[in-house]
Amino acid sequence: AQKITQTQPGMFVQEKEAVTLDCTYDTSDPSYGLFWYKQPSSGEMIFLIYQGSYDQQNATEGRYSLNFQKARKSANLVISASQLGDSAMYFCAMRDSTNYGGATNKLIFGTGTLLAVQP
Amino acid sequence: DGGITQSPKYLFRKEGQNVTLSCEQNLNHDAMYWYRQDPGQGLRLIYYSQIVNDFQKGDIAEGYSVSREKKESFPLTVTSAQKNPTAFYLCASSIRMTGSYGYTFGSGTRLTVV
Repeated sequence: AQKITQTQPGMFVQEKEAVTLDCTYDTSDPSYGLFWYKQPSSGEMIFLIYQGSYDQQNATEGRYSLNFQKARKSANLVISASQLGDSAMYFCAMRDSTNYGGATNKLIFGTGTLLAVQP
Repeated sequence: DGGITQSPKYLFRKEGQNVTLSCEQNLNHDAMYWYRQDPGQGLRLIYYSQIVNDFQKGDIAEGYSVSREKKESFPLTVTSAQKNPTAFYLCASSIRMTGSYGYTFGSGTRLTVV
């Protein structure tokens, strides 16, 4: 069965420093997609970054980058130059590749990491 | 602007009462999803729908029901059979394809049993 594991329930980082949020995944399918979402205290889910299993380069979006290590099945999120507004819950997710006669595009989520940025 | 609207933002339910959470999207997305989030936990899939008049159970469908009569709408009913309904409910939609298409989420409904 496909699974996402986030082993860091909470993390602290000083403002302006970089931080890495860990994510490991388990799947037997060669084709999959990995996502990171940010959830502020208000509750909405904000898409940050995407990595496809066949992508040759690690994904980057502004201050966000994804350290994709396929052999280790890890997809860690790196936030550079942390800001106070980065304080939030962060979720790693994987697209369910099970095919029921058509792509389902279901996302499987990890349990999240609560990031606190300190001034 | 296109997006997903969930209503109400807060909902209180009495024991034994059915309640319906609304989810409307104007993104022309084919697929819609309902997730439940409990404190300190990730999102768990309740139901999903890939096209109108079709939907499938997710991992925790017991005590919930849905309908998909229109492409834009995917309401979730929390029935009295759901023994622990207090949670944060998130609706999402996506294009019905693989690739880099993730979800667009609504702002959520917080349901509390009183």
